[in-house]
Amino acid sequence: EAGVAQSPRYKIIEKRQSVAFWCNPISGHATLYWYQQILGQGPKLLIQFQNNGVVDDSQLPKDRFSAERLKGVDSTLKIQPAKLEDSAVYLCASSPRQLEGEKLFFGSGTQLSVL
Amino acid sequence: GDSVTQMEGPVTLSEEAFLTINCTYTATGYPSLFWYVQYPGEGLQLLLKATKADDKGSNKGFEATYRKETTSFHLEKGSVQVSDSAVYFCALTPRDSSYKLIFGSGTRLLVRP
Repeated sequence: EAGVAQSPRYKIIEKRQSVAFWCNPISGHATLYWYQQILGQGPKLLIQFQNNGVVDDSQLPKDRFSAERLKGVDSTLKIQPAKLEDSAVYLCASSPRQLEGEKLFFGSGTQLSVL
Repeated sequence: GDSVTQMEGPVTLSEEAFLTINCTYTATGYPSLFWYVQYPGEGLQLLLKATKADDKGSNKGFEATYRKETTSFHLEKGSVQVSDSAVYFCALTPRDSSYKLIFGSGTRLLVRP
C-alpha cells in the first residue's frame, strides 16, 4: 500500500515570497490533515478536511495561509507571503474515516526554510 | 483547551535499560490517547493507542496504560535497544466532533550501546 506522498521534500525561500506544498493521501482516505511542526515542538493542526469540505481550520493563519482539496483527493497548502516564523516542517496526514481513536498515516513532510 | 504535556528530553539510556516517558493530559471528558514515534529521517507513525480508561496499549515491547485518575498515559519499555532511538510524541483526540489529533512537544530518546 502506497503511503502519503508529499512534495517537495525541502524548500528554501526568502521572506515575503510565496510557496506551495502538495499532498497525495492514501487512496480511499476521506480525511486529510495539514500539520505544522516547528523545530523542537509537537505538530500543530492547521486544517482538517473531510472529503473536500473543511472540518476545522481554526488554527490556520488565514491572512497568509490557504489550503484546498479539490475533488476530495489531493491537497495543496499555500503560504503567501511567507514570514520567518513559518520555517517548519509541514506534515500531511490522512485517515480512512473520521472516527474516535482512528489511526493517522503521515507523510515525510516538507521542510520549509524562510530566510 | 485540550492539551498534552510530556517530560522534556533528551532521555539518554544504555541498551537494555528500563524506559519511562511521562505524559499527562488535560481534556474535557475522556479522550482517546496515543503514542506516535518519529525515527530519524522518517515520518510519524502510530506506536500504540488506548481509547478508554484502564485500557493498555502495547506494541513492539512498549506499553502505556490510560489512567483517568491521574490523567496520564506514561510510555514504558522493559529493555530498550539502540534501534528505539527516536522522538516519541504523546497525543490525544478530544471527544468532540472534530477527531483532530493534539500532540505534546515530543521527547527524544537516545539509546547507547
